[in-house]
This record gives sequence, structure tokens and C-alpha cells, in this order.
Amino acid sequence: DVKVTQSSRYLVKRTGEKVFLECVQDMDHENMFWYRQDPGLGLRLIYFSYDVKMKEKGDIPEGYSVSREKKERFSLILESASTNQTSMYLCASSFRTGREEKLFFGSGTQLSVL
Amino acid sequence: DQQVKQNSPSLSVQEGRISILNCDYTNSMFDYFLWYKKYPAEGPTFLISISSIKDKNEDGRFTVFLNKSAKHLSLHIVPSQPGDSAVYFCAAHNTNAGKSTFGDGTTLTVKP
Repeated sequence: DVKVTQSSRYLVKRTGEKVFLECVQDMDHENMFWYRQDPGLGLRLIYFSYDVKMKEKGDIPEGYSVSREKKERFSLILESASTNQTSMYLCASSFRTGREEKLFFGSGTQLSVL
Repeated sequence: DQQVKQNSPSLSVQEGRISILNCDYTNSMFDYFLWYKKYPAEGPTFLISISSIKDKNEDGRFTVFLNKSAKHLSLHIVPSQPGDSAVYFCAAHNTNAGKSTFGDGTTLTVKP
């Protein structure tokens, strides 16, 4: 089974702090993604990566950056956390066969910014 | 501009009956559609998918229907079971862009 592991289940940070969310996958997937889930807004894509050291902006990248130094690890960085970044953050990895691309998600990190 | 919409935030059905979850999209570039299921305190898990060149895909109790002209897809669960109670997300994939866009989710409750 594919395993996507997010380092923290719950995180509480203060406004202005730099926050790192870590994600590791064990299936040698090329593609990795960061989403945030908010009530009434579904899952929104923040950033994604198709290769080591490569990154692409998703639909809501403002206030975030990412790092992918190794294939199995994809980090989301909040340079200066703000209260509107309080959310559930979901990491995912995927492989593609033809047009089919299934995402495998981690359990999520609930971040609260006070 | 929300490209994928699930207009029903919640749905409640009786055990054994059919559950029908709906999803609408606006972007014609979407070429693959997926449904994910999410239990509380867990990440979403893949349920079933359909290519844009098909109009139906069936997997056990789950069937997904695609109406390309209407830009509409639906998930049918027959018969519904209490263990199906979860949040269901519709996702539309754009192969050229390499990313999936999700709807808001529908919370399904199946009553015993």
C-alpha cells in the first residue's frame, strides 16, 4: 500500500512564525501535491511538483513556498504565518498511467495560527 | 470562479436505498474524473474514476456516470450501507495542466 506520511497531526503556531509542514511518500511517485481543505471550499491546490527541485504554483500559492530536495519528500513552508492560513493541510502523491492520475493522500495536518 | 461544483452539501439516505451524488464542471479541458471518499481524521481515498471518452464506469456497488454535453457527472451507490457515510469529493483532472480540481464535497449519511 502507498503510504503518505505527514509529520504532524496537529500544529499550533503564532502569527508571523515560519512554519514547515513535512510530507514523505514511500512509493517512488514522481508527483507530489499540497492542498488545503476549508469548510465550504473543498480542497484547493497550493503547489505541486513533478520532479526533484521542480515546483509549480497551484490555485492559491500566495503566502506559501515549497521545497523538494529529494524525490520522496515535499515540504510546504509558510514564510510568515497568518490567521487566514488556519486550515487542514493535505499532502498527496500520484503516479500517472496515460490520462489516469490517482492521488494518494496523507492523513492531514490541522494547523491553527493564533 | 469555481470550476467544479457539488451543489448538495449533504445527503441523507436509508440503508439499502440508492445514493446519488452530483457534480458539475465548467472547464472543457478536464479529461478525467474521479471520486474520492473521506472519513473524519483521515485523508481522502480514491473511490472510482471515469475517462472523458466513456459515459459509465462500474465497480461493485459504485457507478459513475458522465454526461459530457451537460458537463455533469454523478456517483451512484447501490445499495447504500452505513459504512458509506463519509464526505465525497468530485475531482476533475486536466492532463495537460497536470493537476486535479476538487469540488466542495458532499457529506453522505446512510441511516440504518
